Amino acid sequence: GAGVSQTPSNKVTEKGKYVELRCDPISGHTALYWYRQSLGQGPEFLIYFQGTGAADDSGLPNDRFFAVRPEGSVSTLKIQRTERGDSAVYLCASSPLNTGELFFGEGSRLTVL
Amino acid sequence: RKEVEQDPGPFNVPEGATVAFNCTYSNSASQSFFWYRQDCRKEPKLLMSVYSSGNEDGRFTAQLNRASQYISLLIRDSKLSDSATYLCVFTGGGNKLTFGTGTQLKVEL
Repeated sequence: GAGVSQTPSNKVTEKGKYVELRCDPISGHTALYWYRQSLGQGPEFLIYFQGTGAADDSGLPNDRFFAVRPEGSVSTLKIQRTERGDSAVYLCASSPLNTGELFFGEGSRLTVL
Repeated sequence: RKEVEQDPGPFNVPEGATVAFNCTYSNSASQSFFWYRQDCRKEPKLLMSVYSSGNEDGRFTAQLNRASQYISLLIRDSKLSDSATYLCVFTGGGNKLTFGTGTQLKVEL
């Protein structure tokens, strides 16, 4: 389809492991966002890319979290030494430049045991 | 004060009712405002933008009050299919979009 694609849809891992979550945005969308959402909460901003560069990474909770978008399209969110508190749905969204309309993927549900 | 505050609800209303939600924000520099809708276990989707002059889309009306720093969403003639969580969203600077915690609406027969 032509929407935002996220993989894996579900990931169960053990505390302390490394995890990568992938996002394939809508073709031509220059802006890409990562959010995470816990049950009963709104999406929490993590990082925003404009092209290849991180325009705003102020939402990354600590240095265990890192994201890249090397060619300005696909992005990977990387979480090192996972903790139980990292369990959440990680949402990726893309947007045409400066429209304010985000197109979300279905999310990657991360469970850290 | 939190960046954005919404009553989590749930708002339980009968079909056909009119319901309104407010959302307050703390950053007076916020420039753009939106309402998103999120169905259970689904991703958020844009419902409508909120303009200074107010805007209407069918049964939905959105308004912005900059002086009091809140936005509102009014839904007329509620349908069962309107049951969802409604998220207020704003830009606080640059293109970062900040989401509220959402207000849950349940429309009942």
